[in-house]
Amino acid sequence: EIVLTQSPGTLSLSPGERATLSCRPSQSVSSSYLAWYQQKPGQAPRLLIYGASSRATGIPDRFSGSGSGTDFTLTISRLEPEDFAVYYCQQYGTSPPRVTFGQGTRLEIK
Amino acid sequence: QVQLVESGGGVVQPGRSLRLSCAASGFTFSTYPMHWVRQAPGKGLEWMAVISYDGKVKYYADSAQGRFTISRDDSKNTLYLQMNSLRAEDTAIYFCARDPRRGPPDYFDYWGQGTLVTVSS
Repeated sequence: EIVLTQSPGTLSLSPGERATLSCRPSQSVSSSYLAWYQQKPGQAPRLLIYGASSRATGIPDRFSGSGSGTDFTLTISRLEPEDFAVYYCQQYGTSPPRVTFGQGTRLEIK
Repeated sequence: QVQLVESGGGVVQPGRSLRLSCAASGFTFSTYPMHWVRQAPGKGLEWMAVISYDGKVKYYADSAQGRFTISRDDSKNTLYLQMNSLRAEDTAIYFCARDPRRGPPDYFDYWGQGTLVTVSS
């Protein structure tokens, strides 16, 4: 079973700064099946990125995804106050058929 | 607009059963695979199960296999999760989520707000 490791566990930054979040699968995964979500306290997760680099509907272009194989990145170019939240990566594996989430990165205001 | 509304959560004793529901609206429910994802208090997300758009294919996480059953009633636009032999570690918020692709389980473009299940004596 593929394990997704996100780093850092917590990222402390200021509004206006650039955030770089990492997701590393334990084995190579298809870019088609790598997604990113944002979750704020008391809310359901929100889809940000699918297919490693495609922005979901309504997601601002300051959010971007990149990577392949065993190294994926979510970048937030200029942090807005509403971006401070927990971010999860997620992938689908076929053998066995499973959906897996990373443990999350907490993005907090410095 | 797409809406997913979960219900059926509550406090239940260990070993008992509970059935969660997820009422869907704003889209053609019968054409989308659907998932259940849970989140224990203060913890991360854990995928539990998926059902194909036609109900014929179901996959489960190891933690759900043999105890939980996912099903759907397209006539009622409703997704279900039957949970048996509940344990304290099943305590979590349970979310239903839509998968936008008909192929293998993929990603989740819409989520409900979740329903809290607490397993405690």
